[in-house]
Amino acid sequence: GAGVSQSPSNKVTEKGKDVELRCDPISGHTALYWYRQSLGQGLEFLIYFQGNSAPDKSGLPSDRFSAERTGGSVSTLTIQRTQQEDSAVYLCASSPSHRVQYFGAGTRLSVL
Amino acid sequence: ELKVEQNPLFLSMQEGKNYTIYCNYSTTSDRLYWYRQDPGKSLESLFVLLSNGAVKQEGRLMASLDTKARLSTLHITAAVHDLSATYFCAVLTGTASKLTFGTGTRLQVTL
Repeated sequence: GAGVSQSPSNKVTEKGKDVELRCDPISGHTALYWYRQSLGQGLEFLIYFQGNSAPDKSGLPSDRFSAERTGGSVSTLTIQRTQQEDSAVYLCASSPSHRVQYFGAGTRLSVL
Repeated sequence: ELKVEQNPLFLSMQEGKNYTIYCNYSTTSDRLYWYRQDPGKSLESLFVLLSNGAVKQEGRLMASLDTKARLSTLHITAAVHDLSATYFCAVLTGTASKLTFGTGTRLQVTL
């Protein structure tokens, strides 16, 4: 596709369940980022991938959060044992180098 | 810890008026970005500012960067309703080139 694609666009889950969020970056973009946007915290960096490795995971808020990237392309962000404070919009961005980051439309996660 | 502050947080302005949004950041950075976000939508890149004194213009928007003052401005000229959105500045830092975002400025242009 032409842009960064994220799925699902909306996810409603019950507290304690695990969720997986997917990101398809723009083809050829080596860098991939996950951010979280919430009312209380604004836009926060979560994790950065260069290829399949994650040199910076400093933004992951707890060990319930993990992410992987395969084939230098698709990335999955997994949240285990979701809590209500995890409710937010999760944004993925990709970049051909350390230049402009192009954002997907996001996944809106609601934890009931 | 890097802090990025924007002001104002909310701006209501009439069509045809001019105004400036300010973005201050607390540490040196290679690059500064401005993004636009419409309600329920993702972030759209507006400008990338790479060096001290950089100025970029697109339509009614003009962005500038003063790295010595650690200040960027987004100037709106003769606002129109279509410019209503939330505007974020973001500073690029670290070897990961992660973005640290400002709080955002919600702009409402009234007819």
